[in-house]
Amino acid sequence: AQSVTQPDIHITVSEGASLELRCNYSYGATPYLFWYVQSPGQGLQLLLKYFSGDTLVQGIKGFEAEFKRSQSSFNLRKPSVHWSDAAEYFCAVGARSGNTPLVFGKGTRLSVIA
Amino acid sequence: ETGVTQTPRHLVMGMTNKKSLKCEQHLGHNAMYWYKQSAKKPLELMFVYSLEERVENNSVPSRFSPECPNSSHLFLHLHTLQPEDSALYLCASSQDGRGWDEAFFGQGTRLTVV
Repeated sequence: AQSVTQPDIHITVSEGASLELRCNYSYGATPYLFWYVQSPGQGLQLLLKYFSGDTLVQGIKGFEAEFKRSQSSFNLRKPSVHWSDAAEYFCAVGARSGNTPLVFGKGTRLSVIA
Repeated sequence: ETGVTQTPRHLVMGMTNKKSLKCEQHLGHNAMYWYKQSAKKPLELMFVYSLEERVENNSVPSRFSPECPNSSHLFLHLHTLQPEDSALYLCASSQDGRGWDEAFFGQGTRLTVV
């Protein structure tokens, strides 16, 4: 079964600074990979996903993520953070076979300071 | 309406009450899910329905009873809850419940058990 680890529980960055949120997965093959964002009191919204092909994936709101097979990672990046990016971010991994739902990481809470 | 809609958004109930949470999806998906999100815990998958049949039940206490009358509607019936059941309950849907299926989330029901 697949699993996913988000090593950072909480990250604080200054507005305008760059951001990188870490995600590591465990799976026997190349998985499907997703990043979701959750604003306070809201559901989760998909930011981007990786299925195959180009390992650098562009998403909404200026986010991108890079799949690195050698490191089993799928880190989320944004070159310049805005105050509205403050939220909880979840990495998720999907299996390439079987009927198993997505497995979510524990999330990373992002705070943005002026 | 589009997407996944959950009602009510907020619910306060006593430990002896019976209430139900409702979820409706307008995406034509075949799989629906209930997740529990507590303050200090990661997303916990509670139930998975695929084509209206329950395919996964992650050892959830019997005081939570799901119902999926058709592929568009999902209910969570609550009975004799405990204060530790207070959480954000999220409903999601996906095309077929496979690993490559993006999950679409509702905004959640904030449940408080008093």
